[in-house]
Amino acid sequence: SYALIQPPSVSVSPGQTASITCSGDKLGNKYASWYQQKPGHSPVLVVYQDTKRPSGVPERFSGSNSGNTATLTISGTQGVDEADYYCQSWDINTVLFGGGTKLTVL
Amino acid sequence: QVQLVESGGGVVQPGRSLRLSCAASGFSFSSHAMHWVRQAPGKGLEWVAVIWYDGRNKYYAESVKGRFTISRDSSRNTLYLQMNSLRGEDTAVYYCARDNKVTTSWTDYWGQGTLVSVSS
Repeated sequence: SYALIQPPSVSVSPGQTASITCSGDKLGNKYASWYQQKPGHSPVLVVYQDTKRPSGVPERFSGSNSGNTATLTISGTQGVDEADYYCQSWDINTVLFGGGTKLTVL
Repeated sequence: QVQLVESGGGVVQPGRSLRLSCAASGFSFSSHAMHWVRQAPGKGLEWVAVIWYDGRNKYYAESVKGRFTISRDSSRNTLYLQMNSLRGEDTAVYYCARDNKVTTSWTDYWGQGTLVSVSS
């Protein structure tokens, strides 16, 4: 069955660039979205339709999707960006989430 | 502003039933598909079900197919999840989420979640 694979954890130093990948068969032929979830809070959409950013999401968040991999990039990472990140994609009758990536800013 | 408020969670014995509700406000409820997504303690997000804007199309994760039923009442701006034959592995926080479109796409707003605990 189709699956979206994310690394369990990514570490980054403050001010550096963090990249979180999401892999799936021919994922580039679908749309990918990304969600940020902080402990005790609901998920928040940070990227949709591969590259678009909802209003209110800082410009340091960006996305790309090609081939088998979608990528969430956080430029100039800040301590407030420490959270779990989930990719998501869908077909007409199903929605799939990646397993999640814990981003640590240290 | 968009608000989604879930209710109906609680502790239930295995094999029993529970119905969750999600009260929606701040947007045109009948113009959006709606989802239920759950998160087991310490685990990742798992999509549960989607219902399209007019209620005619409903789709489920394999793990809940045949046991859970998603529905909506546009007169009450409320989304429901009827959960039957509950199992321990159904223990999770259940979120309702608004889809950006009338059919399945990405979710753009989420509620605060309601906890369902299945235990004897």
